[in-house]
Amino acid sequence: SQQGEEDPQALSIQEGENATMNCSYKTSINNLQWYRQNSGRGLVHLILIRSNEREKHSGRLRVTLDTSKKSSSLLITASRAADTASYFCATDAGSDDMRFGAGTRLTVKP
Amino acid sequence: DTAVSQTPKYLVTQMGNDKSIKCEQNLGHDTMYWYKQDSKKFLKIMFSYNNKELIINETVPNRFSPKSPDKAHLNLHINSLELGDSAVYFCASSQRGTQYFGPGTRLTVL
Repeated sequence: SQQGEEDPQALSIQEGENATMNCSYKTSINNLQWYRQNSGRGLVHLILIRSNEREKHSGRLRVTLDTSKKSSSLLITASRAADTASYFCATDAGSDDMRFGAGTRLTVKP
Repeated sequence: DTAVSQTPKYLVTQMGNDKSIKCEQNLGHDTMYWYKQDSKKFLKIMFSYNNKELIINETVPNRFSPKSPDKAHLNLHINSLELGDSAVYFCASSQRGTQYFGPGTRLTVL
């Protein structure tokens, strides 16, 4: 069964603005990961946050994790047209068994 | 060098046919997966293999049969193809959490 659920389903912003995507999940996890998928391509790993971490940064990406609310957010700052893609959260409860959501489709307009 | 490769990239076939999709990873990972992504971009795990042994087998019709001849390969054979099998199929491999995806195989059943 699926685990992560992204919100919103679609997001459209102007270049330079920040984009925030949310993910909710149902069961306990070891870690949560965010992936990016460009149109017609496979998913690419962006960032992993462990269950004992609350915030993590990687370049223009900032991920937060609230295990009490079973939710995570991905913030992309100073967005660029090249950030246009679908973004998926995936939860790992152990044994390399990742569960993905349906993704947020981000469109960044130049 | 491609880390996870799949062939073919596109597959168009008639209902009732049998087809195979091949996947190879050169990352030395122990675990490999098959995912199905439908037209709404929902990514659903189908199978997971660890060191050539089946670990996860989600509720997938038995027309789908994965075969892992060795740790680096996980092929997907589909019998009696149906219209609803049309989707993009992704192979992935992982070790200690992060998944590496292949480019996908777009299957169209006519």
